[in-house]
Amino acid sequence: GAVVSQHPSWVICKSGTSVKIECRSLDFQATTMFWYRQFPKQSLMLMATSNEGSKATYEQGVEKDKFLINHASLTLSTLTVTSAHPEDSSFYICSAAGQGTDTQYFGPGTRLTVL
Amino acid sequence: QQQVKQSPQSLIVQKGGISIINCAYENTAFDYFPWYQQFPGKGPALLIAIRPDVSEKKEGRFTISFNKSAKQFSLHIMDSQPGDSATYFCAASYRGYQKVTFGTGTKLQVIP
Repeated sequence: GAVVSQHPSWVICKSGTSVKIECRSLDFQATTMFWYRQFPKQSLMLMATSNEGSKATYEQGVEKDKFLINHASLTLSTLTVTSAHPEDSSFYICSAAGQGTDTQYFGPGTRLTVL
Repeated sequence: QQQVKQSPQSLIVQKGGISIINCAYENTAFDYFPWYQQFPGKGPALLIAIRPDVSEKKEGRFTISFNKSAKQFSLHIMDSQPGDSATYFCAASYRGYQKVTFGTGTKLQVIP
């Protein structure tokens, strides 16, 4: 099956700093990547959809200036949480899909803790 | 119309038993229905998926049953094992639109 990696798997940072999370499709070209946020015991909440070479489309209520998404290549997307605060602490998961396919393949997730 | 309702919220099954998780949708434009399995601290993994042109799909111990007229689909896990203990999400999307709508999740616990 298709493999998606995320780095780092966990990160702890101080309030006010920025954190970058990478999402890579290892064995296929991901024309579309998705970023989700998941709170404990809850479902996945879609934050944004990014297409390679285009600006990301953010879901309603997601601050695009706070959660910067870049999809510079067909195998890499990044999520930068700017000026992180404790309420940004969460499990962030990316997924990737190839052109013309319906299936999203998920990364292993990144646990962000903001102190 | 974009919701996918999932039940039960949690499920306890004895080893060797059948686990059944149900989902219902409203949007008739949905035509792709995947199920994902998620272990604690991990990302979801695609388990099995179905399109509405078939009523059932089986892969190993996992079977999806699909009822197009009722707009319902379900996951059956036969011979449930402790290693199946995880959270299961149903989902739906429609052709050409990769954005997926997720159900609320079912936490399955298989006890020995």
